[in-house]
Amino acid sequence: AQSVTQPDIHITVSEGASLELRCNYSYGATPYLFWYVQSPGQGLQLLLKYFSGDTLVQGIKGFEAEFKRSQSSFNLRKPSVHWSDAAEYFCAVGPNTGGFKTIFGAGTRLFVKA
Amino acid sequence: NAGVTQTPKFRILKIGQSMTLQCTQDMNHNYMYWYRQDPGMGLKLIYYSVGAGITDKGEVPNGYNVSRSTTEDFPLRLELAAPSQTSVYFCASSPGDNTEAFFGQGTRLTVV
Repeated sequence: AQSVTQPDIHITVSEGASLELRCNYSYGATPYLFWYVQSPGQGLQLLLKYFSGDTLVQGIKGFEAEFKRSQSSFNLRKPSVHWSDAAEYFCAVGPNTGGFKTIFGAGTRLFVKA
Repeated sequence: NAGVTQTPKFRILKIGQSMTLQCTQDMNHNYMYWYRQDPGMGLKLIYYSVGAGITDKGEVPNGYNVSRSTTEDFPLRLELAAPSQTSVYFCASSPGDNTEAFFGQGTRLTVV
């Protein structure tokens, strides 16, 4: 069955510390991969996406993610977290064979402490 | 640009009532979607549309209906509201299949 797992429901990091949010997926075909961020009371905004090519992708707000096919993972990273990064982050996976069937993970809520 | 606009932002319904959640986009996107978001569950696809006049069920369509008479509008209809439909609803659009989705700000619905 197709699925997306974000193992951490919530994470707390200190401002200025590095961040890694985990995402693992189970998918039959080569997937399209996305990370979205949701600030409180807002809709989701795309941070970055991977379709093909370089497995390390850069996104907005200083985020990056690395696609590791052998581990079925697409972890999100940021070298230095800012207080404004506190939000909920969603990993999503979709097929590259057509038909909109994107699956979203349950989300990881990031708390940033001063 | 307005992007994706949802109305209302908040609504309280009584059990058995009906309502329509409005969604409109001004980006001329062919694809539109309705999701519901429940705590700890991520987003679940209710219905989607690949163009005017074409709609299809997503993962959790029961209790909902949609229509797509124009490219811009994709309303979601709840008939006979139930407490299980208490959720936050998001409308989204995208220019194509599996491209970036643009989300509205959501509608928080409570059924009591």
